[in-house]
Amino acid sequence: DGGITQSPKYLFRKEGQNVTLSCEQNLNHDAMYWYRQDPGQGLRLIYYSQIVNDFQKGDIAEGYSVSREKKESFPLTVTSAQKNPTAFYLCASYHRDRRYGYTFGSGTRLTVV
Amino acid sequence: LAKTTQPISMDSYEGQEVNITCSHNNIATNDYITWYQQFPSQGPRFIIQGYKTKVTNEVASLFIPADRKSSTLSLPRVSLSDTAVYYCLVGDGGDDKIIFGKGTRLHILP
Repeated sequence: DGGITQSPKYLFRKEGQNVTLSCEQNLNHDAMYWYRQDPGQGLRLIYYSQIVNDFQKGDIAEGYSVSREKKESFPLTVTSAQKNPTAFYLCASYHRDRRYGYTFGSGTRLTVV
Repeated sequence: LAKTTQPISMDSYEGQEVNITCSHNNIATNDYITWYQQFPSQGPRFIIQGYKTKVTNEVASLFIPADRKSSTLSLPRVSLSDTAVYYCLVGDGGDDKIIFGKGTRLHILP
């Protein structure tokens, strides 16, 4: 079955460490997105990428970095510059055929310890 | 990207029909209206999408008036498992980014 795989499901980070969240899709989707969700809140856009080797900042990009070396992969690095990284992180992808909307992964819950 | 406005929360009872309305006054000609459902600790999932009039699938109906400045998601005979957050998105699918608001937190009571 096609879909988006996010790993790990849970991640613990010590203060001052960088961590990388994985997002892989086998849907042949062009665009990929990273969102952050805090308890009881909506989704806030961190970064997005429309094509390989290109990406744009979203609304809350500070303290995060991404790469898009392959169409299937869009990893997110949470750097030590992100002062409050504890949150639920969601990756999504989108195909040009709008009828199917956006497909989301199951999320990674990051906790700073 | 058209801005949307939804109620923050709604309560209903099992077996009732639930209607959630979304306002999108500045919707563009090419924009579609899409609704998503999110359960706790999961990613949102696509429910239904429409452009005008009425769309129905196996889980919901979407009503869109002629002026397209609002839309209503209708969930027939809800159950406790329909307790979730529902998001309304408006766009033409070619947008560079998608923006989710806070959605509507629907709570189904027994």
